[in-house]
Amino acid sequence: AQSVAQPEDQVKVAEGNPLTVKCTYSVSGNPYLFWYVQYPNRGLQFLLKYITGDNLVKGSYGFEAEFNKSQTSFHLKKPSALVSDSALYFCAVIQGDTGFQKLVFGTGTRLLVSP
Amino acid sequence: EAGVAQSPRYKIIEKRQSVAFWCNPISGHATLYWYQQILGQGPKLLIQFQNNGVVDDSQLPKDRFSAERLKGVDSTLKIQPAKLEDSAVYLCASSLGLRSGETQYFGPGTRLLVL
Repeated sequence: AQSVAQPEDQVKVAEGNPLTVKCTYSVSGNPYLFWYVQYPNRGLQFLLKYITGDNLVKGSYGFEAEFNKSQTSFHLKKPSALVSDSALYFCAVIQGDTGFQKLVFGTGTRLLVSP
Repeated sequence: EAGVAQSPRYKIIEKRQSVAFWCNPISGHATLYWYQQILGQGPKLLIQFQNNGVVDDSQLPKDRFSAERLKGVDSTLKIQPAKLEDSAVYLCASSLGLRSGETQYFGPGTRLLVL
């Protein structure tokens, strides 16, 4: 069965510094990987996804993620954090060759960006 | 374009009562999903529809939960009778189709508290 691990419950960075939110996955076939962000009392907003092709994926709000097959990782990155990036971030995976769209989410990482 | 709409946004009920949630997906999206997000956890898929047919309901507690999408557009999720452990945010999402890798877009969710 597919699964996702987000090893850090919380990440703290200062505004202007680079940020990384970690994600590792486990699937038996090819993975399709997603990052979503959740602000308080709001649903999940799509940031970016990796399906195939270039391992570096660029998404919304200046975020990017790098797919690393050998390390089974898909870490989310941003070169310069903003206070407004403070939110809950979820990594998710679909096993790509099943024909189904069953997203399996990690437990989330809370990002705190200090002024 | 309008996003996924959900109502109500909040609901408080007592255990053993019944409750229903409504979702209107993005126009033209054939696939609709219901997720349950318990506090401190990532969303978990409950049921997935393709048009008005069920694709996957393997994680739906069918003794108390039911869902329908009669005309292939709007959907309702019902809980009867509710238990304390059903307290969660119920998220509706939609995507263009079932092809793996299609982005799922989420609504704002319904926060349910069972007392």
